[in-house]
Amino acid sequence: EDKVVQSPLSLVVHEGDTVTLNCSYEVTNFRSLLWYKQEKKAPTFLFMLTSSGIEKKSGRLSSILDKKELFSILNITATQTGDSAIYLCAVYSGAGSYQLTFGKGTKLSVIP
Amino acid sequence: DAGITQSPRHKVTETGTPVTLRCHQTENHRYMYWYRQDPGHGLRLIHYSYGVKDTDKGEVSDGYSVSRSKTEDFLLTLESATSSQTSVYFCAISGTGGNTIYFGEGSWLTVV
Repeated sequence: EDKVVQSPLSLVVHEGDTVTLNCSYEVTNFRSLLWYKQEKKAPTFLFMLTSSGIEKKSGRLSSILDKKELFSILNITATQTGDSAIYLCAVYSGAGSYQLTFGKGTKLSVIP
Repeated sequence: DAGITQSPRHKVTETGTPVTLRCHQTENHRYMYWYRQDPGHGLRLIHYSYGVKDTDKGEVSDGYSVSRSKTEDFLLTLESATSSQTSVYFCAISGTGGNTIYFGEGSWLTVV
């Protein structure tokens, strides 16, 4: 059974802090890993990672994948209150089966 | 925003009644998905579709059926709603298999 585990489950930081969110996975036939941000409604797409060691960046957010150790991290620098959300990690696995398996998410709270 | 519309957005229904949730997309994407999201479980796949009249089960398909008679519409039916089906339901779409999926705004269903 495919498994995606995120840690920590929740995190409280002050504005300006840097945070690292973790995602580890055990899946058959790994294809890609995706990060999403969920505020009050629908998850919104952040990054898709398929190759080890290549960092994806978007503003203060960045992510990297380690396919040997089976994990990914999402970094947020200079956090702002608008970064408060649940961050979801998901993995595509299997040949011909286009299903995403999601982790339970990390709830990030950024306080002024 | 991806052109995905879910209806109804909020519904309260009684145990034992049938319920149908509709997902409508304007992107002409091939793949459509229904997820449910519950505290402590994260996002779990119910059913998905890879084309008109082509559907398959996900992780938590018991008690649910789906139909896709047109590219743009994907219906999720609870034949006889139970309290355990109280949840937030998200529709998602993807243009190609294994690619980024985009979520609708969600449908909040309460079964009393």
